[in-house]
Amino acid sequence: DIVMTQSPDSLAVSLGERATINCKSSQSVLYSSTKKDCLAWYQQKPGQAPKLLMYWASTRESGVPDRFSGSGSGTDFTLTINSLQAEDVAVYYCHQYYSLPYSFGQGTKLEIK
Amino acid sequence: QEQLVESGGGLVTPGGSLRLSCAASGFSFSDHYMTWIRQAPGKGLEWVSHINSGGTTKYYAESVKGRFTISRDNVKDSLFLEMSSLKDEDTAIYYCARGVFSDFWGQGTLVTVSP
Repeated sequence: DIVMTQSPDSLAVSLGERATINCKSSQSVLYSSTKKDCLAWYQQKPGQAPKLLMYWASTRESGVPDRFSGSGSGTDFTLTINSLQAEDVAVYYCHQYYSLPYSFGQGTKLEIK
Repeated sequence: QEQLVESGGGLVTPGGSLRLSCAASGFSFSDHYMTWIRQAPGKGLEWVSHINSGGTTKYYAESVKGRFTISRDNVKDSLFLEMSSLKDEDTAIYYCARGVFSDFWGQGTLVTVSP
């Protein structure tokens, strides 16, 4: 089974600054035939269902602000939030859909400093 | 407007059974894989099960294999999760979500397993 490990577990960033969340998979999630990484990022605000932000590691879901970006390939991935806004306070999860059973990272709690 | 609405959650004693439903609307349900994901109180997300668009291929997390059964009705645009031999650790909010990488989620239904 693929284990997803996020870092840090929590971080506090000032408004307008950049937040960076890392995700590492225990094995590659690169789908060789399409050269796409089977990695998604979700945002979960308190009391709400998770919301898809990114898929294929770096494709932004429709309607997601362009201050959110995803990068990485293979086993190491990053979610970057530029110019942090108050509404970005949430828990963020990475998710691999390359190999069953699919799995999530443990989550990273983002707060305002 | 796309919508997924879960129902069927509630309080059940250990060893009991429960059937969750997820009603889909606003999109072509029969074209999509569907997934169940759960979240224990104050914890992270756990992938539980998914089913292909035709309902012929099903996968389960090891933690629920043999106890949970996923199914779907493409005529009624509905997804189901039959849960039996429930344990304390099955207590969670259960979300249904669309697609392999879950691009759209319902609001969830709470299942509480307690004596």
